Amino acid sequence: DQQVKQNSPSLSVQEGRISILNCDYTNSMFDYFLWYKKYPAEGPTFLISISSIKDKNEDGRFTVFLNKSAKHLSLHIVPSQPGDSAVYFCAASPGRGGSEKLVFGKGTKLTVNP
Amino acid sequence: DSGVTQTPKHLITATGQRVTLRCSPRSGDLSVYWYQQSLDQGLQFLIQYYNGEERAKGNILERFSAQQFPDLHSELNLSSLELGDSALYFCASSARGGAGELFFGEGSRLTVL
Repeated sequence: DQQVKQNSPSLSVQEGRISILNCDYTNSMFDYFLWYKKYPAEGPTFLISISSIKDKNEDGRFTVFLNKSAKHLSLHIVPSQPGDSAVYFCAASPGRGGSEKLVFGKGTKLTVNP
Repeated sequence: DSGVTQTPKHLITATGQRVTLRCSPRSGDLSVYWYQQSLDQGLQFLIQYYNGEERAKGNILERFSAQQFPDLHSELNLSSLELGDSALYFCASSARGGAGELFFGEGSRLTVL
């Protein structure tokens, strides 16, 4: 049973437009959420996180939104750049502000076209 | 460069064999995590060590074992290998026991023939 779901395996957007990546979770015990980005032949790298006590966290071009009642979070990238092309993983943890037992989604491959 | 080093990068072996994957965490990081990524799957948490002690366990098979040594490097041992064990195995480290984001190595790709 997948506790963290990324229902879109892939997403293609034009450079300069907004990219929206979605993630749903089922376990109400999750209270810390993270997004990781992965380029081919590299390990995942941390992008942005959000605690369950917040509904939005922003870092430059990246914003994560959390809707606890819907058990849904999304990552917005504005404006999208070709260098953002990568696989994005959503992850959730029951640990407070931590990364214990992170549960990852299967990832969404983002392609930003010049 | 995340600072986490994994060896070997690629490994091809036969069913029934045993392999050892090695991980050196970032300098100063006490926690080491192991994850498995099979084809078309997300990263599956296997096990976490903190300062030499097992801290958390995920879906790790009994055929798999891990340890963290006094110098904080970690090894993941996979035995009686099956075709389905073919995957990317990632090691990650973090500064504290459970706080903060993880820093991942580049992974070890295991192919079982």
